[in-house]
Amino acid sequence: IAGITQAPTSQILAAGRRMTLRCTQDMRHNAMYWYRQDLGLGLRLIHYSNTAGTTGKGEVPDGYSVSRANTDDFPLTLASAVPSQTSVYFCASSQGRGNSPLHFGNGTRLTVT
Amino acid sequence: RKEVEQDPGPFNVPEGATVAFNCTYSNSASQSFFWYRQDCRKEPKLLMSVYSSGNEDGRFTAQLNRASQYISLLIRDSKLSDSATYLCVVNPYNFNKFYFGSGTKLNVKP
Repeated sequence: IAGITQAPTSQILAAGRRMTLRCTQDMRHNAMYWYRQDLGLGLRLIHYSNTAGTTGKGEVPDGYSVSRANTDDFPLTLASAVPSQTSVYFCASSQGRGNSPLHFGNGTRLTVT
Repeated sequence: RKEVEQDPGPFNVPEGATVAFNCTYSNSASQSFFWYRQDCRKEPKLLMSVYSSGNEDGRFTAQLNRASQYISLLIRDSKLSDSATYLCVVNPYNFNKFYFGSGTKLNVKP
């Protein structure tokens, strides 16, 4: 069982370029999330989706967009990358009810130059 | 005030020691609580959920104190492999709102 798969594992990207980080889960979880983690700032929520077809903004959504066309996939797009988007990006999912914890993907390490 | 606060540490302990971390939360309506472990440059992994009556998993014991709004994690007989950052996570049953502490770093020394 793979759980949550993120791709790519790492990427170096020129500023101004467009980039999509991929996230796929095979646990049939309803809710999915994108976080970024920066030194000293902890995990910050970028966007979330409670169920397929719906998305919402988190704490730091500017410069990012998401879509949730089906239950399994939740891609994160940077339309025009900037150096401040250099970070480690984690996709996560949960059943979205009760005492359900978050399950994380392996992360994508993105460097914008 | 932060939603979840943790002592960042580091806690430096010898192998075999018992160590405890606390985490305070500000929302009294919070309903679910978790401890995660994160190794350097890796994804956070669920260590254990925290139940109202307290729960134990091997060398790890989690407690919840609703009156004082804190959760704790006790690690007995520390191993070198326990060295990591421990994240406290709180969710008031709003599934968009998992609040993360900044993490407590544990170093277990030989």
